[in-house]
Amino acid sequence: DSGVTQTPKHLITATGQRVTLRCSPRSGDLSVYWYQQSLDQGLQFLIQYYNGEERAKGNILERFSAQQFPDLHSELNLSSLELGDSALYFCASGGGTDTQYFGPGTRLTVL
Amino acid sequence: GENVEQHPSTLSVQEGDSAVIKCTYSDSASNYFPWYKQELGKRPQLIIDIRSNVGEKKDQRIAVTLNKTAKHFSLHITETQPEDSAVYFCAASPGGSYIPTFGRGTSLIVHP
Repeated sequence: DSGVTQTPKHLITATGQRVTLRCSPRSGDLSVYWYQQSLDQGLQFLIQYYNGEERAKGNILERFSAQQFPDLHSELNLSSLELGDSALYFCASGGGTDTQYFGPGTRLTVL
Repeated sequence: GENVEQHPSTLSVQEGDSAVIKCTYSDSASNYFPWYKQELGKRPQLIIDIRSNVGEKKDQRIAVTLNKTAKHFSLHITETQPEDSAVYFCAASPGGSYIPTFGRGTSLIVHP
């Protein structure tokens, strides 16, 4: 157990819908990173938040957005969903060093 | 930006054999190189990491070597066991950014 929690574990929705994925970092970690992992694909970095502020952006679509709240939990919002958005979404937390600890992931299925 | 190449994409070995996975990176500013193990449907788990001021690091049956000049690093697993079967990802992270670029993964299959 990494100490990072993610909810929900599974999410099934239809095209065009909007969903919210939630992540709570390890106690004491200020950074949250979001990744997308599609079938047979590696881990694609989406976005990083540090202590409530956006720190870095990767290959995140405009239909996706994220935020980090004062209690340091983070939410990833995915809107106008397409079939190709079906993937595993991981968040990871970090404590100011390079090391990242991944949560269990949310499996999103768009039908 | 950083580009990480990982080989092979699939590696099949017999239990007890050694396994070696190799990665190359492009950004000479990268100074942190973690390796993650991911079992099917589960989260990536950090198994070992190395920083650019170190050439080799060992942890029981796992070792990582780094050649900064050639910009490549490798994961070595000795005495493989069936429970080592998983997908292994390498990554490279430029100093200060903490944003790793991942390789595409190696599926390791250990046959009993």
